[in-house]
Amino acid sequence: GAGVSQSPSNKVTEKGKDVELRCDPISGHTALYWYRQRLGQGLEFLIYFQGNSAPDKSGLPSDRFSAERTGESVSTLTIQRTQQEDSAVYLCASSFNGGANTGELFFGEGSRLTVL
Amino acid sequence: SQKIEQNSEALNIQEGKTATLTCNYTNYSPAYLQWYRQDPGRGPVFLLLIRENEKEKRKERLKVTFDTTLKQSLFHITASQPADSATYLCAPIYQKVTFGTGTKLQVIP
Repeated sequence: GAGVSQSPSNKVTEKGKDVELRCDPISGHTALYWYRQRLGQGLEFLIYFQGNSAPDKSGLPSDRFSAERTGESVSTLTIQRTQQEDSAVYLCASSFNGGANTGELFFGEGSRLTVL
Repeated sequence: SQKIEQNSEALNIQEGKTATLTCNYTNYSPAYLQWYRQDPGRGPVFLLLIRENEKEKRKERLKVTFDTTLKQSLFHITASQPADSATYLCAPIYQKVTFGTGTKLQVIP
C-alpha cells in the first residue's frame, strides 16, 4: 500500500483480555515505531525497531506490553491482561532512516483501544 | 531523564498574524529536531527537520530555529490562516524520535 496501515482501527475489549494490534509499514522502511496517545495527551514512545538491530523497548510501560517485528515487515503490538488505563490510540510510524535516524516518520491512522 | 516541554495551553491567534510555538528540551543534546502537525483523530504529519548546525530553516510560511545553547526550538507560522489550526509537536532526535506534548494552535478568522 501507499501508506502505513494499522488494524483494527477500533477495538473494544473487556478488562483482562489480551489484544493484538497490527502495523503494516511502508515497503522499504527500515525503522518502525509504536506510540501511545491517551485522550488529549501527547505521543508516548513505546518501542522502536531499526532493521535487524535489537529493538529499543525502553518505553514499554509494563511486562504486559510486547511487540514483534519480522525483518522490515509487519509489526504486532500485544497487550496482555488489558486494564482500563490501557485505553488509548496506539499509533504506528515508519521511516527510511538511511543510517542517520533523521528520516521523517509516516504515521498510520492509529488503533483506538477501549478497555471496559 | 530526557524531558521535552511545549506550551501546554492552547495558543489563539488572529488570522494573518505570526504564530510562534516553543519547544524546550533538557538533559540531552539532540543533533536533529523535527516538527509535526496533528489534526484531531489523525496521525501526525511531518513538516520540517532542522540540524544542530543549521540554526534556521524555512519552508513556505514556516520557519524553525534551533538553539542548542538554550536547548530550544521555535516554530513560526507567518500570515497564519484558519487552516493552520491544529496541534503542533516537536521531536528532538537522539537515538530515537520522541515527542513533546504538543501545542494546540487556533487561528481565529
